[in-house]
Amino acid sequence: GEEVAQTPKHLVRGEGQKAKLYCAPIKGHSYVFWYQQVLKNEFKFLISFQNENVFDETGMPKERFSAKCLPNSPCSLEIQATKLEDSAVYFCASSSQTGMNTEAFFGQGTRLTVV
Amino acid sequence: GDSVTQMEGPVTLSEEAFLTINCTYTATGYPSLFWYVQYPGEGLQLLLKATKADDKGSNKGFEATYRKETTSFHLEKGSVQVSDSAVYFCALTKNTGGFKTIFGAGTRLFVKA
Repeated sequence: GEEVAQTPKHLVRGEGQKAKLYCAPIKGHSYVFWYQQVLKNEFKFLISFQNENVFDETGMPKERFSAKCLPNSPCSLEIQATKLEDSAVYFCASSSQTGMNTEAFFGQGTRLTVV
Repeated sequence: GDSVTQMEGPVTLSEEAFLTINCTYTATGYPSLFWYVQYPGEGLQLLLKATKADDKGSNKGFEATYRKETTSFHLEKGSVQVSDSAVYFCALTKNTGGFKTIFGAGTRLFVKA
């Protein structure tokens, strides 16, 4: 598609439940990124993929968070045993990054509320 | 490491006032620079970009010039409107494949009628 599609738009989970977020990157883009935006607007980088391979996972919490980008499927970000502090908007972005075109295109985000 | 620093808000202006939001960066090499805007309750939209020194990005009356000598990319608009009320993020990425976007902390702008 021509835009990054994230689903669902809103997700509410009780503490301890699992949350799974999805992202369909722009067709032809080989890089996918996940960011977490917390209440004070700060964007925290979580993980990036080059096609189905993890490219950079330096921002990914070691426990409870996992992500995948499998061929012919939307990418996913999964949080096991959610905590209140996981409440945030999660943004996915994709880019082609060929030559000087390093711009990332962002989805509309998924707002996760943990209650 | 690489970082982006932008002025803290909130910034409150009257309609038709002049806007400047300062942004400076620290990065090795030659990053591309961006301004993104986030309207209330919405996602992130690219406002403008510049990929090399002295480039000027512009869109919807907003402008920013890539100044390598001062490592700055200040956002300006000559006459703001109420509809410009939003949070503005300065950001950079490297011109190497797969490099993440590094964001500033965001500056909230309120424009009063």
